[in-house]
Amino acid sequence: DAMVIQNPRYQVTQFGKPVTLSCSQTLNHNVMYWYQQKSSQAPKLLFHYYDKDFNNEADTPDNFQSRRPNTSFCFLDIRSPGLGDAAMYLCATSDGTNGYTFGSGTRLTVV
Amino acid sequence: AQSVTQPDIHITVSEGASLELRCNYSYGATPYLFWYVQSPGQGLQLLLKYFSGDTLVQGIKGFEAEFKRSQSSFNLRKPSVHWSDAAEYFCAVGARSSASKIIFGSGTRLSIRP
Repeated sequence: DAMVIQNPRYQVTQFGKPVTLSCSQTLNHNVMYWYQQKSSQAPKLLFHYYDKDFNNEADTPDNFQSRRPNTSFCFLDIRSPGLGDAAMYLCATSDGTNGYTFGSGTRLTVV
Repeated sequence: AQSVTQPDIHITVSEGASLELRCNYSYGATPYLFWYVQSPGQGLQLLLKYFSGDTLVQGIKGFEAEFKRSQSSFNLRKPSVHWSDAAEYFCAVGARSSASKIIFGSGTRLSIRP
């Protein structure tokens, strides 16, 4: 019954080693978002896709990239993870009328 | 500039007591308003939303919120809390467009006293 699925739930990566987080949705929503949430902080928007149109937030580091090969899938690529990138990464979708639907998140640890 | 303020970082209430979590927003137009709940290590779950119409909105788990335009507030209430309500609560505001970005408040952590 899950509608926004994030894999994996927990990811451990080495400092500087590229890592990819994935998100899939069964809602057919045209907008997909990636948020970064550090401990005890509000989620911070990294970027979003409106269909295939990519929208990057001005303060999102170049180290973070995203791909959306089709409506259902969206990936977050971190090219060279640093210790400061350890966080919960949340994927969300929206059809523009009913708010966001969030996945359960991927907790990234950088060692 | 758009912003959301949750003035209470941490609140503790006794089980069975009533709850009110405060939220104030600053927005140029009439916004969409949301309350989300997050349990530790989990994603965010939508409790309720206000788009238009009746300013008192009912949500899941017995929560309700009231939109007060004159006070730019959207406070969350529950008449009687349960131990399972212990979590982080986020108020959020969004624009009325199909590619809107939701801005989150800094959150209020709710603890329940047995």
